[in-house]
Amino acid sequence: QKEVEQNSGPLSVPEGAIASLNCTYSDRGSQSFFWYRQYSGKSPELIMSIYSNGDKEDGRFTAQLNKASQYVSLLIRDSQPSDSATYLCAVKGGNQGGKLIFGQGTELSVKP
Amino acid sequence: ETGVTQSPTHLIKTRGQQVTLRCSSQSGHNTVSWYQQALGQGPQFIFQYYREEENGRGNFPPRFSGLQFPNYSSELNVNALELDDSALYLCASSNPTGGWVVTEAFFGQGTRLTVV
Repeated sequence: QKEVEQNSGPLSVPEGAIASLNCTYSDRGSQSFFWYRQYSGKSPELIMSIYSNGDKEDGRFTAQLNKASQYVSLLIRDSQPSDSATYLCAVKGGNQGGKLIFGQGTELSVKP
Repeated sequence: ETGVTQSPTHLIKTRGQQVTLRCSSQSGHNTVSWYQQALGQGPQFIFQYYREEENGRGNFPPRFSGLQFPNYSSELNVNALELDDSALYLCASSNPTGGWVVTEAFFGQGTRLTVV
């Protein structure tokens, strides 16, 4: 079992729709969770961090965390073609300093 | 722009050679982490330097080594290059003043290494 799992996609949504990206993790001791966006050929860009159960909203982005289910998600409202990228879920354990464990990423394609 | 800069941006090396990659951390950040990202995969943690000391290492062989300088910039050295070392090498900087749990890491633009 991989430590952090994501559907590789591609996930295709029409412009203006809600894109839902999911991530599960295996270490129950994980304490912090991050979503990065990576455009093709570029480096990851941090878009959201979440540490507590529930929802966290930032503009069109909402991160959701459920530690009991070991599940974290990212919702993108009013999706735009510029949101087309690979979205990486990253998890940080309790005793591992700054080490991030990444999923393989979900490719999102927003069609005009 | 994250303020994290890496050099060079692209590099081609021959199998068996050695390579040094460089990273300048964001101003005020004292921690640098290195990641390897193969095509189509998520980044894999290589190691981390905090205040010039290595304080975490991933599942990479000893031929991957590094150091951090007093100004918190860092180098990643890879000896005896193998074809499978071809990847995007990412440097991330952070400052864990609020504790490691809530510390966010910001990536440089990466170095694309091709081993032939």
